[in-house]
Amino acid sequence: EVQLVESGGGLVQPGGSLRLSCAASGFTVSTNYMYWVRQAPGKGLEWVSIIYSSGTTYYADSVKGRFTISRDNSKNTLYLQMNSLRAEDTAVYYCARILQWVPDYWGQGTLVTVSS
Amino acid sequence: EIVLTQSPDFQSVTPKEKVTITCRASQSIDSSLHWYQQKPDQSPKLLIKFASQSISGVPSRFSGSGSETVFTLTINSLEAEDAATYYCHQSRTLPWTFGQGTKVEIK
Repeated sequence: EVQLVESGGGLVQPGGSLRLSCAASGFTVSTNYMYWVRQAPGKGLEWVSIIYSSGTTYYADSVKGRFTISRDNSKNTLYLQMNSLRAEDTAVYYCARILQWVPDYWGQGTLVTVSS
Repeated sequence: EIVLTQSPDFQSVTPKEKVTITCRASQSIDSSLHWYQQKPDQSPKLLIKFASQSISGVPSRFSGSGSETVFTLTINSLEAEDAATYYCHQSRTLPWTFGQGTKVEIK
């Protein structure tokens, strides 16, 4: 059974950092595309970053230069390192598996709150 | 960036009624359009992939159609459990984008 479990969210001050984790089971992270999507409170879904099976990565303009997506193959885990956090980064962050260009399985999300 | 525009933003529907949600893309995305259902405090759930392909385990009352720039999600005979926000999502071109969502309320 495919499962994704995010962790690492919390309250952080503006300018601070957090690392989100997405532990996968039932499939291999490194052989799939994976991405992060966020949802600000009461708002819609926003694509954040993607990592291809090749290791190639892309970012939304709003997070480019501040966020880094990566994976640990030995732990079958996806990460999102978030630096220089801003109030507008406050959101629930979801990871998802992408199968043949379709995000099919999503985690339950982890809440990041950026506030002083 | 490809902009996806859904209509309507909100729909209040009685059970057993038919619901139609439209998603318009700012440029052609072939059939690389997927539909999701999100209930409060839950993660999105995949309903339809590549515009019209069904997903195992999703009730047959959900169907999709369209291509290029205009897509439709249809819910035949709405049930109370279908109260949710529905999003379209394109994976044709980075950055992948979502529609703004359509909230479906049960009267």
